[in-house]
Amino acid sequence: SQKIEQNSEALNIQEGKTATLTCNYTNYSPAYLQWYRQDPGRGPVFLLLIRENEKEKRKERLKVTFDTTLKQSLFHITASQPADSATYLCALEKYSGNTPLVFGKGTRLSVIA
Amino acid sequence: NAGVTQTPKFRVLKTGQSMTLLCAQDMNHEYMYWYRQDPGMGLRLIHYSVGEGTTAKGEVPDGYNVSRLKKQNFLLGLESAAPSQTSVYFCASSPRRGDGYTFGSGTRLTVV
Repeated sequence: SQKIEQNSEALNIQEGKTATLTCNYTNYSPAYLQWYRQDPGRGPVFLLLIRENEKEKRKERLKVTFDTTLKQSLFHITASQPADSATYLCALEKYSGNTPLVFGKGTRLSVIA
Repeated sequence: NAGVTQTPKFRVLKTGQSMTLLCAQDMNHEYMYWYRQDPGMGLRLIHYSVGEGTTAKGEVPDGYNVSRLKKQNFLLGLESAAPSQTSVYFCASSPRRGDGYTFGSGTRLTVV
C-alpha cells in the first residue's frame, strides 16, 4: 500500500540549531513534494514545493531536498527560532490524472530558547 | 484578498441532523478540495473539484456530498450526521496541478 511517513511525531531542538525533519514514502511515484506549516487551530500554510527532477530547493532559512532513489525528502530550518515551533506536514502529488495531495501526519517541532 | 473563507467556524450537531459547510475563494483558483483532520490520522481528502461543475471522490467520501456550482464556491454537505464525522474540516484551493494549496482556517464540527 502507499504510505507517507514523517519519522518523528515530535522534535525538540535548541534555538539557533538546524532542525531536520524527514519524510519517507513507499509505493509512490510523486511528481511533486510539498511542505506545509500548521499552527494550532489554524489551516496549513504552504512553504515549499520541489519537483521530481530537482535535488534541492531553498527559501530564506528553509531548505528541502528530494531523493527519489531513497524515496525521501529532508526539510531543514537553519538558525531555528522559537517562532518556528509548529507542526510541519509533507505532501505528495502523483504524476497521473488530477489526484490531489496526500499528506503525511506531520512532525511537531518545538524550538526551545 | 480574503483567500479561502470557511463558514461556519464551529458547529455542534445532533446525530441525524444535516448541515452544509461553505468554502469560498477569491483567487480565481480552478481546483478546490475538502479535507478532514483527526488526531493521529492527519489530513484525509473527502472530495475535490478540478473546475466549476465538476466533483470527484477522495479517500473518505462516505456520508458527504459536494457541489461546485460556481467557481469560487465549494460546498460540503452532511445529510445525516454521525459521531464519526466529528472532526476539523479544511477547505483548500489551488490554481493548477503542481502549485501550493491555500487553506482556509477550518470548521470544527462536533456531532453528539
